[in-house]
Amino acid sequence: SQQGEEDPQALSIQEGENATMNCSYKTSINNLQWYRQNSGRGLVHLILIRSNEREKHSGRLRVTLDTSKKSSSLLITASRAADTASYFCATDPYNTDKLIFGTGTRLQVFP
Amino acid sequence: GAVVSQHPSRVICKSGTSVKIECRSLDFQATTMFWYRQFPKQSLMLMATSNEGSKATYEQGVEKDKFLINHASLTLSTLTVTSAHPEDSSFYICSVLRDLTTYNEQFFGPGTRLTVL
Repeated sequence: SQQGEEDPQALSIQEGENATMNCSYKTSINNLQWYRQNSGRGLVHLILIRSNEREKHSGRLRVTLDTSKKSSSLLITASRAADTASYFCATDPYNTDKLIFGTGTRLQVFP
Repeated sequence: GAVVSQHPSRVICKSGTSVKIECRSLDFQATTMFWYRQFPKQSLMLMATSNEGSKATYEQGVEKDKFLINHASLTLSTLTVTSAHPEDSSFYICSVLRDLTTYNEQFFGPGTRLTVL
């Protein structure tokens, strides 16, 4: 399968806690992106990290990238009930315009 | 970000019929669009790359005669599911590729939910 793997598949936490999701991929990449999808809805782009970057922040989001291990993590700090959604990583393999999505993590944040 | 629309947002059809889904780039012209399929509680799987003025490029395992793609203009790509069957019921999402100076960004449509009875 082309897909990357994400873990955990599902994560349940209380409001205020941090949520960490991990993504592993298979090929050399240009960039890695994280997306959010509310149930049955379209995708929302969260953050992009380039292959030469190791860490990036955007508001309550923190993304790390380890190209030697072909892995990335997404940390959501101080989670809110509104963060409840599925989160997907997506990579664009080197020299292509395609996006290959990970298997996704379903996050449930309880108020 | 760019605005991408899909029509219809939801369609129910009988088995054996064909269904056409439109994907429009409202903000800019796009030579490349992508079509994805998403089954319940699963991830997005790339089906094909739609190229304006040329044939679409299909991913391995996707039947090109069943999923017809037409990218007739720089703002419109259509996906036709021919002779649809219940197993084709899925969420179909398109994206539009915009070439930026530093990376190529995809903008996603809101998706079309297809239910085949």
